[in-house]
Amino acid sequence: QVTLKESGPALVKPTQTLTLTCTFSGFSLSTSGMRVSWIRQPPGKALEWLARIDWDDDKFYSTSLNTRLTISKDTSKKQVVLTMTNMAPVDTATYYCARTPGEHYYYMDVWGKGTTVTVSS
Amino acid sequence: SYELTQPPSVSVSPGQTASITCSGDSLGDKYVCWYQQKPGQSPVLVIYQDTERPSGIPERFSGSNSGNTATLTISGTQAMDEADYYCQAWDSSTAYVFGTGTKVTVL
Repeated sequence: QVTLKESGPALVKPTQTLTLTCTFSGFSLSTSGMRVSWIRQPPGKALEWLARIDWDDDKFYSTSLNTRLTISKDTSKKQVVLTMTNMAPVDTATYYCARTPGEHYYYMDVWGKGTTVTVSS
Repeated sequence: SYELTQPPSVSVSPGQTASITCSGDSLGDKYVCWYQQKPGQSPVLVIYQDTERPSGIPERFSGSNSGNTATLTISGTQAMDEADYYCQAWDSSTAYVFGTGTKVTVL
């Protein structure tokens, strides 16, 4: 059974750096084609894709946020980490991680339950 | 940047058919998927690669994609289908793109 679980601080102050961890099970990120993305959703708003890391360590970022984002993986720990710098109140959202199951697939078949992050002083 | 546009809301009577559109430039040249999201829950994939249903998704969910528009159709809509629905595609310049979302209300 494939599962993903997000973890991180519930509250961060403006200008701080946010670090989120996605811990997954049921698949390996060293398997050819496997990919993990981060997506966020501000309250009452649409989903927004943030970043993706692939089995071969290729990384992709949202063009609007790429200067603030860094994604990395620890294959042995089955974790993907996202850092977002210079947090602001507009970054308040639920942050999800999700899996893409293969190299030529462009959908996310399993999502975590999400972690809510509030940016406030 | 690439954008996908959906109607904000769709209303449907129980047992009737709901159609949700997703519009984008040359969208028919890309693979589209659809997610269902109920309040307080994470998104669930209901259609991938335009027309395919994941295991466990009811047959009443179907998809199509041609020209500039992809469509998610829910046939014989049930009260449990009331949710927000998002389309998503991959664009080489923008990477993953989500639609603006559609709230489906079953009246």
